[in-house]
Amino acid sequence: DGGITQSPKYLFRKEGQNVTLSCEQNLNHDAMYWYRQDPGQGLRLIYYSQIVNDFQKGDIAEGYSVSREKKESFPLTVTSAQKNPTAFYLCASTQTGNYGYTFGSGTRLTVV
Amino acid sequence: AQTVTQSQPEMSVQEAETVTLSCTYDTSESDYYLFWYKQPPSRQMILVIRQEAYKQQNATENRFSVNFQKAAKSFSLKISDSQLGDAAMYFCAYRSAYTGTASKLTFGTGTRLQVTL
Repeated sequence: DGGITQSPKYLFRKEGQNVTLSCEQNLNHDAMYWYRQDPGQGLRLIYYSQIVNDFQKGDIAEGYSVSREKKESFPLTVTSAQKNPTAFYLCASTQTGNYGYTFGSGTRLTVV
Repeated sequence: AQTVTQSQPEMSVQEAETVTLSCTYDTSESDYYLFWYKQPPSRQMILVIRQEAYKQQNATENRFSVNFQKAAKSFSLKISDSQLGDAAMYFCAYRSAYTGTASKLTFGTGTRLQVTL
């Protein structure tokens, strides 16, 4: 079945470390997105990519980086510059038109 | 920039009853899409229903229907015959029709729905 796979489900990071969250899709979608979810704040866009080797900052890109070397993959790196990285991270993909997003199952990142 | 507002942080409904979740949005665009997503305790985001702004007819998906009022910029979700499995966080979302895949989804802050026996 087609879908989006995020890994790991839970991730723990020490202060000062970079960590990378994986997102892979087999839906042949062109566009992929990363959202951050905090209690009471809904979902906020971090980065998005429309095509391979191209991506744009979202509303809260500071402290994050991404790459899009393959259509299927859109990994997110949470750098040590992100001051408050503890959150739930959701990856999504879509195609042009009146479609909503297809979401992965998320990664819960905790700073220890 | 578009904004989406969900003014009800929490709602409660008895099983088999009907509940309506409110959503308003602000935009200067005339063509766009609106969505309701459900996020159960598993935290998987599930698309419940979608509405195209150019369609006057309200979308319906089984027990879920919307009341789309374009002039008022209102997009409420009605859940009929509520079931225990409907308990979840519900998010309203907006997407522009103009920018293709660059068009991000803008979400409201969500409404937590409790279903009681």
